[in-house]
Amino acid sequence: GEEVAQTPKHLVRGEGQKAKLYCAPIKGHSYVFWYQQVLKNEFKFLISFQNENVFDETGMPKERFSAKCLPNSPCSLEIQATKLEDSAVYFCASSPNTGELFFGEGSRLTVL
Amino acid sequence: GIQVEQSPPDLILQEGANSTLRCNFSDSVNNLQWFHQNPWGQLINLFYIPSGTKQNGRLSATTVATERYSLLYISSSQTTDSGVYFCAVDSYGGSQGNLIFGKGTKLSVKP
Repeated sequence: GEEVAQTPKHLVRGEGQKAKLYCAPIKGHSYVFWYQQVLKNEFKFLISFQNENVFDETGMPKERFSAKCLPNSPCSLEIQATKLEDSAVYFCASSPNTGELFFGEGSRLTVL
Repeated sequence: GIQVEQSPPDLILQEGANSTLRCNFSDSVNNLQWFHQNPWGQLINLFYIPSGTKQNGRLSATTVATERYSLLYISSSQTTDSGVYFCAVDSYGGSQGNLIFGKGTKLSVKP
């Protein structure tokens, strides 16, 4: 598509439940990035992919977070056993290279 | 790691006024982007500008890479310009696409 599509827009989970977010990159873009926005102005890089391969995972909290980009499927970010501190907006971005990033509208996760 | 500082943190304008937002960064960069996050939370690309000057309608941006700063100019501001403006960079020699965001400038345009 012409834009990065993220689903769902909103997700509410009880503490300890699993959360899974999806991202369809712009067609033809081979790089996908996940960012977490906590509060209103703090962005944290989580992970990036080049096609289905992990490019950089230095930002991922590995105990409970995992991500995949499989061929012919939306990319996904999964959080096992969510905690209150995971409440945030999760943005996905894609790029044809590692230059300009194009962001989706984000998925707001609320953990109660 | 690279530091990104934006100023001012808050800005209130009357509709029609002009403004300049600044982004300072502490190291050489591969990429620099300006974004507008509107009140609904959408993150909108404004400029991809690791160096040079670009213009898009009422907005323009200049990055002086050798002096490690970028400026975003908004002319004839409108209420729809309200929101938070973020500068984000990835550092030369760092992981490409791993953007470091500044804390943003919150702009409020009053009618």
